[in-house]
Amino acid sequence: GAGVSQSPSNKVTEKGKDVELRCDPISGHTALYWYRQSLGQGLEFLIYFQGNSAPDKSGLPSDRFSAERTGGSVSTLTIQRTQQEDSAVYLCASSLDHPAGGYNEQFFGPGTRLTVL
Amino acid sequence: GNSVTQMEGPVTLSEEAFLTINCTYTATGYPSLFWYVQYPGEGLQLLLKATKADDKGSNKGFEATYRKETTSFHLEKGSVQVSDSAVYFCALRTNFGNEKLTFGTGTRLTIIP
Repeated sequence: GAGVSQSPSNKVTEKGKDVELRCDPISGHTALYWYRQSLGQGLEFLIYFQGNSAPDKSGLPSDRFSAERTGGSVSTLTIQRTQQEDSAVYLCASSLDHPAGGYNEQFFGPGTRLTVL
Repeated sequence: GNSVTQMEGPVTLSEEAFLTINCTYTATGYPSLFWYVQYPGEGLQLLLKATKADDKGSNKGFEATYRKETTSFHLEKGSVQVSDSAVYFCALRTNFGNEKLTFGTGTRLTIIP
């Protein structure tokens, strides 16, 4: 079946512009995650959705970053007034619901490479 | 807070060499531990996992043992192949309802024929 898809695959923008990154999770996956992969920083967690609500937003680096999820499916990560330090690969992952004490694998999309000039 | 420290790269080995990539962690409670792999041009994939102390995860000839006493989860393979060239990430997830993964910085592995 189809995996996690993300669009666009590459985005080049100018400093100060807003950008929107889209994630389509695997059908039926209720949990959705955004991560960021920067040079020298490794992979950092940004935000976690369970259905349409976000119980953990602790990784969002500033109030310029926001995310939403609608219909328990597609999610959009928005970065306002982009800065050069926002340049990174933004990864989305999804998984089935988490049973108490259990684990369901997170499946990752191919990422969106954002370059802020 | 939670953190993962893994071996700095890049690592270059000859084909059929023995591989170890070190990973240690700091976490509250009893985390689950993972190794993810990112092959060139591909997305991140789960390689193996272990959910409790002394568990051994294995896949594709790779192994890692969850060592609670040393807070480690080192990745090993007895004989590497050129196709193992990739970036490897150690990660943890706590079991307290916080579902996010905390990753190490990644280790780039290159295998030369």
